[in-house]
Amino acid sequence: DTGVSQNPRHKITKRGQNVTFRCDPISEHNRLYWYRQTLGQGPEFLTYFQNEAQLEKSRLLSDRFSAERPKGSFSTLEIQRTEQGDSAMYLCASSFANYGYTFGSGTRLTVV
Amino acid sequence: TQLLEQSPQFLSIQEGENLTVYCNSSSVFSSLQWYRQEPGEGPVLLVTVVTGGEVKKLKRLTFQFGDARKDSSLHITAAQPGDTGLYLCAGGNTGNQFYFGTGTSLTVIP
Repeated sequence: DTGVSQNPRHKITKRGQNVTFRCDPISEHNRLYWYRQTLGQGPEFLTYFQNEAQLEKSRLLSDRFSAERPKGSFSTLEIQRTEQGDSAMYLCASSFANYGYTFGSGTRLTVV
Repeated sequence: TQLLEQSPQFLSIQEGENLTVYCNSSSVFSSLQWYRQEPGEGPVLLVTVVTGGEVKKLKRLTFQFGDARKDSSLHITAAQPGDTGLYLCAGGNTGNQFYFGTGTSLTVIP
């Protein structure tokens, strides 16, 4: 069990560019979550998958954001036409059923 | 959105002192979790409490879930520099996500 892996750890991009992040959850976990965290704040929920089905999306997830989890394994989060306000730490977590989350180390996005 | 407010927001204490962090909400949760997060890393789960009035101890950390399942506290005895970090509470229901609190940033000075 190697835990939850997120790549890349850091991403700097110019405003207007598209970015994609990847999350590899713990293999036995059927649930996968994406959260966003800004400095000094708690994580904010973005979206949730159970296996390959995306079951819930936050209103924070504008149409520029899209997430997938093909085959119920790894997940990707894509942000199109990035804005400076998208700068944050993007956290992925996985769990089995409704037990506690195991978080990855996050991807820190900086939009310049 | 089910808001969880934590207090204090910042706490700086000397090594060996005791402290309590509070997590309050107007919403009822079926379970509540506490996490600790270090800079540049994801939160790490410390404990889950599910029963109103429940008290759990983890070495020098004592967690309590309020009787009405709307609030929780974390008490640390004889704090050590290794306890430094951001402490987050998160409330969940029968739904699929946990709502995180605003966090308490703890600094323990050697």
